[in-house]
Amino acid sequence: SAVISQKPSRDICQRGTSLTIQCQVDSQVTMMFWYRQQPGQSLTLIATANQGSEATYESGFVIDKFPISRPNLTFSTLTVSNMSPEDSSIYLCSAGGAGGNSGNTIYFGEGSWLTVV
Amino acid sequence: AQSVSQHNHHVILSEAASLELGCNYSYGGTVNLFWYVQYPGQHLQLLLKYFSGDPLVKGIKGFEAEFIKSKFSFNLRKPSVQWSDTAEYFCAVNIKNTGKLIFGQGTTLQVKP
Repeated sequence: SAVISQKPSRDICQRGTSLTIQCQVDSQVTMMFWYRQQPGQSLTLIATANQGSEATYESGFVIDKFPISRPNLTFSTLTVSNMSPEDSSIYLCSAGGAGGNSGNTIYFGEGSWLTVV
Repeated sequence: AQSVSQHNHHVILSEAASLELGCNYSYGGTVNLFWYVQYPGQHLQLLLKYFSGDPLVKGIKGFEAEFIKSKFSFNLRKPSVQWSDTAEYFCAVNIKNTGKLIFGQGTTLQVKP
C-alpha cells in the first residue's frame, strides 16, 4: 500500500489569502489526484495532477483558483487561492497505480482541514 | 454522466445487529469498486475493494461486499456491528481504470451500545 502524507493537517486562513497544501507519497505512483470534501458532504474530485505537465481539472474547478503542481512521481501541491469562507473544506490528496499487489487501489492522505475566516 | 448512489443516508443500529448498506452505480463497462470508511475526526480509510474475480470480497474489521454486475450494485455487509463501527461509509467507483473515483453521498452509521 502507499502511505500518503499531507501538510498542513489543519489551518485557519484569512479571507483573500492563499494556502499551499503539500502531498508526499512514500513510493512512486502513476496517478495523483486532489479531492475536496465540504462540511457534511461527500468527496468531489478537483483535478488529476499530471507529472511534468498541467493538471486536468474537473468541471467547476479552474487552474486560477486551484493551481496544482506535480514535479515528480511522489509529490504534488495544491494551492487554494484568494480564499473565501466557501473554501472551508477538507482537501484530500489521493494516489494509486503503484503496481504490484496494489494494482489500481486508490489511497488517501489524512486530509488538510482548512477553515477560512 | 456516471454516478454512484447510496440509498441509506443515515442508519441507526444496535450492537450485534446485521448491517447492509446499498450502493448502485451507473456505468455499463468495466469498473473497480471500493468502500471507504471515515471514523469521526479521522481520515478516509479503505475498507475493501473489488477489481475482478470472486464477486464476494472480504475487507477489514469483518466487512464484506458483493458485486452483482446485473444489478450494478456493490452492497456492504457486516453480520454483527459494534459500537466502534460508528462512522461515515462511502462507496466509490473507478471508471475505466482511470484512477478517478466517483463517490456516493455517504451513509452515516450510528451504532448504539
